[in-house]
Amino acid sequence: DADVTQTPRNRITKTGKRIMLECSQTKGHDRMYWYRQDPGLGLRLIYYSFDVKDINKGEISDGYSVSRQAQAKFSLSLESAIPNQTALYFCATSAVAGDNEQFFGPGTRLTVL
Amino acid sequence: QKEVEQNSGPLSVPEGAIASLNCTYSDRGSQSFFWYRQYSGKSPELIMSIYSNGDKEDGRFTAQLNKASQYVSLLIRDSQPSDSATYLCAPERGAGSYQLTFGKGTKLSVIP
Repeated sequence: DADVTQTPRNRITKTGKRIMLECSQTKGHDRMYWYRQDPGLGLRLIYYSFDVKDINKGEISDGYSVSRQAQAKFSLSLESAIPNQTALYFCATSAVAGDNEQFFGPGTRLTVL
Repeated sequence: QKEVEQNSGPLSVPEGAIASLNCTYSDRGSQSFFWYRQYSGKSPELIMSIYSNGDKEDGRFTAQLNKASQYVSLLIRDSQPSDSATYLCAPERGAGSYQLTFGKGTKLSVIP
């Protein structure tokens, strides 16, 4: 079984709809991250969480919100999706006791029409 | 100045050759450095980490770090067609931040 899973893997939605992307991990890591990847722009950090009670904005958090439901679960919400949020979204995890290595989920391809 | 700079490529090398991928970064506080490989449409996969100046070897991969020059590189020896991918350089965003700043990546193509 995959250590980091993301659901859904693909989603097409319309402008103005609320969307939730979910991330679950079995690695036992405390730190979790949400990134988006756009062609030509690379990976950019949206939100990150170091434990259930610690959530922080990344460099591009506007238009997004997150929820850390448990150590193993970290969800990303788009309250009112817009076309420029069309991107590939990745969840990543890292261990407190580790060396800052981050491990990525398979990604969610989101298209907002 | 961009935080992390990589040549976008594509970098084309013949099979069996050495591929050299370069990265410069602007944050002098960065202490941890990572290289990820990403196949088209797939997620980034960690292939190397380096924390001290000098070289670190793992199989066909060698990471090189020079903090004074704010430079990190990845060498791939005996390149294989399966190495064809985009390689992302990711320094830590300042010491102890536990965040990474990703470069836009260098696309490598290994020609059989």
